[in-house]
Amino acid sequence: ETGVTQSPTHLIKTRGQQVTLRCSSQSGHNTVSWYQQALGQGPQFIFQYYREEENGRGNFPPRFSGLQFPNYSSELNVNALELDDSALYLCASSSYRGEQYFGPGTRLTVT
Amino acid sequence: DAKTTQPTSMDCAEGRAANLPCNHSTISGNEYVYWYRQIHSQGPQYIIHGLKNNETNEMASLIITEDRKSSTLILPHATLRDTAVYYCIVRSLYLDNYGQNFVFGPGTRLSVLP
Repeated sequence: ETGVTQSPTHLIKTRGQQVTLRCSSQSGHNTVSWYQQALGQGPQFIFQYYREEENGRGNFPPRFSGLQFPNYSSELNVNALELDDSALYLCASSSYRGEQYFGPGTRLTVT
Repeated sequence: DAKTTQPTSMDCAEGRAANLPCNHSTISGNEYVYWYRQIHSQGPQYIIHGLKNNETNEMASLIITEDRKSSTLILPHATLRDTAVYYCIVRSLYLDNYGQNFVFGPGTRLSVLP
């Protein structure tokens, strides 16, 4: 068991709405990374947070934003949802530069 | 783009060793080779990683060629539960131009057959 938890498990939203996904990192980890995984593809990096600061960002628009809290848990916020945002959203925690341990993911469906 | 190439799919008989190859011909000196696997609709699971020496843990062995341009993940006695997509990732300790250091390709879909 990795110790990384995500909520909710599944979510259905309408185009144009906003969504917040949550992640609790594994004990002792101070870094959280978020990935988007479309059906049949490998995970794509969205951004990473280290000690509450964004530490790196992939090729995603600004409507994808995040937060990391003092307990190292994290949120992913997506504004103005589009149909193509339908995907499995994965959170991974690690020590800085350590191997990443993934949560089970949140399945987002945008209709 | 991922810095690795892997076969799209492989089959393995249950109880036999599964050998999953990965090419990473452009790997640089500070880059590690990581392996993850993803069972259907679950989050990726860390398997093993290495720099230049062969590594073994309770899940698998990682064999890296001397020139470090390729590697092989070995599952010594594959079971049906090992059916998954296996990702080989070359990862620097430093962030790339996109601020990331884990880049997933499409991986190898391993099917363990009874």
